[in-house]
Amino acid sequence: GENVEQHPSTLSVQEGDSAVIKCTYSDSASNYFPWYKQELGKGPQLIIDIRSNVGEKKDQRIAVTLNKTAKHFSLHITETQPEDSAVYFCAASITGTASKLTFGTGTRLQVTL
Amino acid sequence: DTGVSQDPRHKITKRGQNVTFRCDPISEHNRLYWYRQTLGQGPEFLTYFQNEAQLEKSRLLSNRFSAERPKGSFSTLEIQRTEQGDSAMYLCASSLGAGTGAGGYTFGSGTRLTVV
Repeated sequence: GENVEQHPSTLSVQEGDSAVIKCTYSDSASNYFPWYKQELGKGPQLIIDIRSNVGEKKDQRIAVTLNKTAKHFSLHITETQPEDSAVYFCAASITGTASKLTFGTGTRLQVTL
Repeated sequence: DTGVSQDPRHKITKRGQNVTFRCDPISEHNRLYWYRQTLGQGPEFLTYFQNEAQLEKSRLLSNRFSAERPKGSFSTLEIQRTEQGDSAMYLCASSLGAGTGAGGYTFGSGTRLTVV
């Protein structure tokens, strides 16, 4: 089955700096890669996603890049703000099937003032 | 409809007892998923329904676990003879179709189970 690895497990940045979280996946058939943000006591919330036919996608301060050959994808957050502090999860799935998500182990992002 | 609702938010039970959790998905979503999340880990897939049909179950779902979605709307997850290893956050999610369209999955806030 699919295996998703995520790094780093914790990340501390100063407000205004950029943050980068990286994930690798094992199943070359995976073609959908969402990123979720989870705040304390809440369920994961989708923040951005990318499909395998696209190399990069951007939404305001958040961008995701995908390298299918290397089987890795990354989340980039620019101009970080304290409210970006949360746990971020990457995930992978194969569309057209159950589309069950295989998640990484999460990155705890702390944005300090 | 404000999202996916899960009840209860917290459950403390003694080992060996049975527990049941409920999930109310977004009304127009035809797919419903159950995931389990332990501390410091990402959610792990347990099972999913398309309408009322349970189409896939993970190997994580032992025979002590059963899930239903009787009318294709809300779902219940029951754990019989709970064990301490069942302590986790149980997350429900719903989607329209495969969940790879706009909005993807919508997760509920979860039910935190503690087995003592």
